[in-house]
Amino acid sequence: DQQVKQNSPSLSVQEGRISILNCDYTNSMFDYFLWYKKYPAEGPTFLISISSIKDKNEDGRFTVFLNKSAKHLSLHIVPSQPGDSAVYFCAARVNSGGSNYKLTFGKGTLLTVNP
Amino acid sequence: KAGVTQTPRYLIKTRGQQVTLSCSPISGHRSVSWYQQTPGQGLQFLFEYFSETQRNKGNFPGRFSGRQFSNSRSEMNVSTLELGDSALYLCASSLVGASYNEQFFGPGTRLTVL
Repeated sequence: DQQVKQNSPSLSVQEGRISILNCDYTNSMFDYFLWYKKYPAEGPTFLISISSIKDKNEDGRFTVFLNKSAKHLSLHIVPSQPGDSAVYFCAARVNSGGSNYKLTFGKGTLLTVNP
Repeated sequence: KAGVTQTPRYLIKTRGQQVTLSCSPISGHRSVSWYQQTPGQGLQFLFEYFSETQRNKGNFPGRFSGRQFSNSRSEMNVSTLELGDSALYLCASSLVGASYNEQFFGPGTRLTVL
């Protein structure tokens, strides 16, 4: 049961253009969403997040949009740079009891930005 | 400040063996979470330890176990290895675990089961 889905395993974009990575979820109890970036041979690093009470969060070239009614979020990278080439994971947080939380990750999308 | 370290970085085992992986969190971090990454399933949560107690657990069989020591270092053990256990095992540390944007990942241990 994949509660967080990234339906595009890969995406190729030209340098300078916009990259849009998508993520769908099924659990309405998720209260916080995060995007992580992962380079080969390294662990994932946190990129940007959004609370379920917001619909947009922006940080430099990165913007995350949340559509709660559609249970959909997307990450926009503008402009895309070759150094953005990596696997991007969408993750969602749910309260697992008390002050404990659990993260569920999608399968990831490999973004390739071509010079 | 040193980052999260994992040892060993690479490991080759045969079916039926058991393996122990180690994770040293960032100094001061009390929460350590373990994840399994495979090409087909992405990152899957194994378990989280906080102050030597398992606080959360994913949907993995009992062959996967872990523990955390008083210095917050954590170990993960997999017994009776199967071919499907071949994966990158990642650990992540955070101060308290509840705010996941503060979670820092190690480079992972690449386990190959032959």
